[in-house]
Amino acid sequence: EVQLVESGGGLVKPGGSLRLSCAASGFTFSNAWMSWVRQAPGKGLEWVGRIKSKTDGGTTDYAAPVKGRFTISRDDSKNTLYLQMNSLKTEDTAVYYCTTEASVAGTFAWFDPWGQGTLVTVSS
Amino acid sequence: EIVMTQSPATLSVSPGERATLSCRASQSVSSNLAWYQQKPGQAPRLLIYGASTRATGIPARFSGSGSGTEFTLTISSLQSEDFAVYYCQQYNNWWLTFGGGTKVEIK
Repeated sequence: EVQLVESGGGLVKPGGSLRLSCAASGFTFSNAWMSWVRQAPGKGLEWVGRIKSKTDGGTTDYAAPVKGRFTISRDDSKNTLYLQMNSLKTEDTAVYYCTTEASVAGTFAWFDPWGQGTLVTVSS
Repeated sequence: EIVMTQSPATLSVSPGERATLSCRASQSVSSNLAWYQQKPGQAPRLLIYGASTRATGIPARFSGSGSGTEFTLTISSLQSEDFAVYYCQQYNNWWLTFGGGTKVEIK
């Protein structure tokens, strides 16, 4: 069974840092493009960024609101995805989902499956 | 950034009736469009990709159509489990973007 399990969420003060993790199982993690998608309370979905598989270069892309503050990394030996969040703002408060981008031959794609999400609250 | 606009924001439908949801892109995304269903407290679930291909296990009452900038998700006969929020997402551009969602509620 394909499974993605996020952890690391919590309460942090504005300007602070937090690192989220996503443990993957049931598929070949090293071949997968992985993304983080967030959802502010009562709002819609917002793509945060991706990391490609190492065979596709292992590069990262970020949405403008988080570029320069957030860093996505992966440890294929541990089947784990990370999201390092620095200089956090109140508007970063959201449920953060880990998800697999179903890339084929290096193309951008849809998301399937999704983890259950972890809540990050940025508040003083 | 490609802006995705969904309409209506809320759709009130009786069980057994047909629901038609719209999604518009600010520029052409070809057929690189997906639809998701999200229920309260749950992660989104993939319904449709490639604008019209149902994901594994998705019932035939869900269908997608369109290309370019105009897309439609149709639920042919609403079941109780279909009342949820639906999102479209484009993947034609490296910066993946979602629509604001359509809430399908019981009339």
